[in-house]
Amino acid sequence: GEDVEQSLFLSVREGDSSVINCTYTDSSSTYLYWYKQEPGAGLQLLTYIFSNMDMKQDQRLTVLLNKKDKHLSLRIADTQTGDSAIYFCAESLQTGANNLFFGTGTRLTVIP
Amino acid sequence: IAGITQAPTSQILAAGRRMTLRCTQDMRHNAMYWYRQDLGLGLRLIHYSNTAGTTGKGEVPDGYSVSRANTDDFPLTLASAVPSQTSVYFCASREDRYTGELFFGEGSRLTVL
Repeated sequence: GEDVEQSLFLSVREGDSSVINCTYTDSSSTYLYWYKQEPGAGLQLLTYIFSNMDMKQDQRLTVLLNKKDKHLSLRIADTQTGDSAIYFCAESLQTGANNLFFGTGTRLTVIP
Repeated sequence: IAGITQAPTSQILAAGRRMTLRCTQDMRHNAMYWYRQDLGLGLRLIHYSNTAGTTGKGEVPDGYSVSRANTDDFPLTLASAVPSQTSVYFCASREDRYTGELFFGEGSRLTVL
């Protein structure tokens, strides 16, 4: 199956930028997603990027996609304590009966 | 708008018992999914359904079964629960298998003793 990898933990100080990284192995992806999971809740879509884009910015969030290296990143500017959560990247492929794959999730801890 | 509703929210179950986790969506989505979430392992797909009347096996299907009799409902059944099935279970849906945002339920926390 598809491998989508993330680091498990990241800690940053409030006000700093956070960068969460993700690597994947299949180059036929159509969409790449970032989901946020707050404690005790389900996952909610933060942002997504089409595979033919290099960058997408949405307020404090910047998504960078390097298709050559199969690397996706999420940058959160001016990180706040409310940003503490688990962040999942996910890849949607063009083909296959099961074509949606998630990373293991990165737990972001924001230190006041 | 309710989105996806899962029930029960939490359940403690004796090993060997049968259990059905319910999932209902009101968005008329074609594709539905069941995931389990375990620490350090992220989300693992158990079963999926790309349209009503069809189902498929995901990464960890053993010990679980699903049915998709209609568009809205996608129940997950543990025929004979074992302690390794202790987990948080998430149901999700999206417009179809190739497009759209994946919407998640709030999860069902299952403990098998």
